[in-house]
Amino acid sequence: GEDVEQSLFLSVREGDSSVINCTYTDSSSTYLYWYKQEPGAGLQLLTYIFSNMDMKQDQRLTVLLNKKDKHLSLRIADTQTGDSAIYFCAESPYSGGGADGLTFGKGTHLIIQP
Amino acid sequence: KAGVTQTPRYLIKTRGQQVTLSCSPISGHRSVSWYQQTPGQGLQFLFEYFSETQRNKGNFPGRFSGRQFSNSRSEMNVSTLELGDSALYLCASSGDRGGTEAFFGQGTRLTVV
Repeated sequence: GEDVEQSLFLSVREGDSSVINCTYTDSSSTYLYWYKQEPGAGLQLLTYIFSNMDMKQDQRLTVLLNKKDKHLSLRIADTQTGDSAIYFCAESPYSGGGADGLTFGKGTHLIIQP
Repeated sequence: KAGVTQTPRYLIKTRGQQVTLSCSPISGHRSVSWYQQTPGQGLQFLFEYFSETQRNKGNFPGRFSGRQFSNSRSEMNVSTLELGDSALYLCASSGDRGGTEAFFGQGTRLTVV
């Protein structure tokens, strides 16, 4: 069945880059997402990438997709204390995105050290 | 533009009771999806509604049900509550499956005692 794996914790120094990794198993996934969840809040969509793309950049965020290895990463440049949150990787089986039937990883807790 | 609104934010129920949670999507959005979030299982898909029809369902028992109204507002119902149903229930709205982003509400925290 479908599965999405992520490391549970990542600790980085303020100002450094953070790289959060994710692997997925469903080769038919067409959209891959990164969501952010702050304490007591819902999920905030950060960015997404189509499965036919290798890279997408959006301000401080860079998403890299290696479709052969089914590996997705999220790089946050110049990490700030406000980036402290749980980051979820998710895959969609549908060609258009949306929130229908997403499979999520367990989430990576990003911890920022001063 | 108002975001996705979930009510109530917090709820405490007793085992065996039933509960109804509400989700008002972003204006114009017709797709509403529901997710359960627990520390052990993470985020799991419950079901998705579009134009009052359930189009997709996750792997949950029949005690979990939902519906969508003509104004796209959605409710989910859990009957015969179990302790393991304690979770954060999140809903998300989008225009449709195709080509649109989804926006999540802040969730309803359900505690079953």
